[in-house]
Amino acid sequence: NAGVTQTPKFQVLKTGQSMTLQCAQDMNHEYMSWYRQDPGMGLRLIHYSVGAGITDQGEVPNGYNVSRSTTEDFPLRLLSAAPSQTSVYFCASRQGGSNTYNEQFFGPGTRLTVL
Amino acid sequence: KQEVTQIPAALSVPEGENLVLNCSFTDSAIYNLQWFRQDPGKGLTSLLLIQSSQREQTSGRLNASLDKSSGRSTLYIAASQPGDSATYLCAAYGGSQGNLIFGKGTKLSVKP
Repeated sequence: NAGVTQTPKFQVLKTGQSMTLQCAQDMNHEYMSWYRQDPGMGLRLIHYSVGAGITDQGEVPNGYNVSRSTTEDFPLRLLSAAPSQTSVYFCASRQGGSNTYNEQFFGPGTRLTVL
Repeated sequence: KQEVTQIPAALSVPEGENLVLNCSFTDSAIYNLQWFRQDPGKGLTSLLLIQSSQREQTSGRLNASLDKSSGRSTLYIAASQPGDSATYLCAAYGGSQGNLIFGKGTKLSVKP
């Protein structure tokens, strides 16, 4: 199993540009999520999904969109990039949907810089 | 709202020392708690998951404990090695959706 994969590894955007961060998992996990990690702030939840077709907002959802059309993929879209979105983005997945609390696995991250 | 705190933010020890990393949480109604390791510029590696019904979980030189009544978890590392140098994160599961809430981590440095 490849686990949780993320592309790209690095990305530089200009303010106002849009892009999609890709996340895929091959473990047939129902739950997937996106976090951002910033110095001094720790990891904060952006959006999550408890199964295909179901998504919800986390702690810091503004400026980001998600969709979950398949179990395997959970892309994160930046609609109009801002310098405040410069961060490291992590995708994660675990077995089970809502009301389950199994071990969560993380991807290697995408380092995004917005100029 | 669940909050997770890790103290100290940084810790430096000589090789071979046994050490304890601390994690506290505000809402004792957590489900499970997970410890991670993060190397510089890398993703998070899961170390241990403690179920809410357990008090301890062990993997090799690592032992994690969970005390829900006091709102605390500890990660014990035996016979530390320079390769243990990394940031250690704890995260508590809360709520009906099974989201993880993270502490800010303890940066561990093990000196040869």
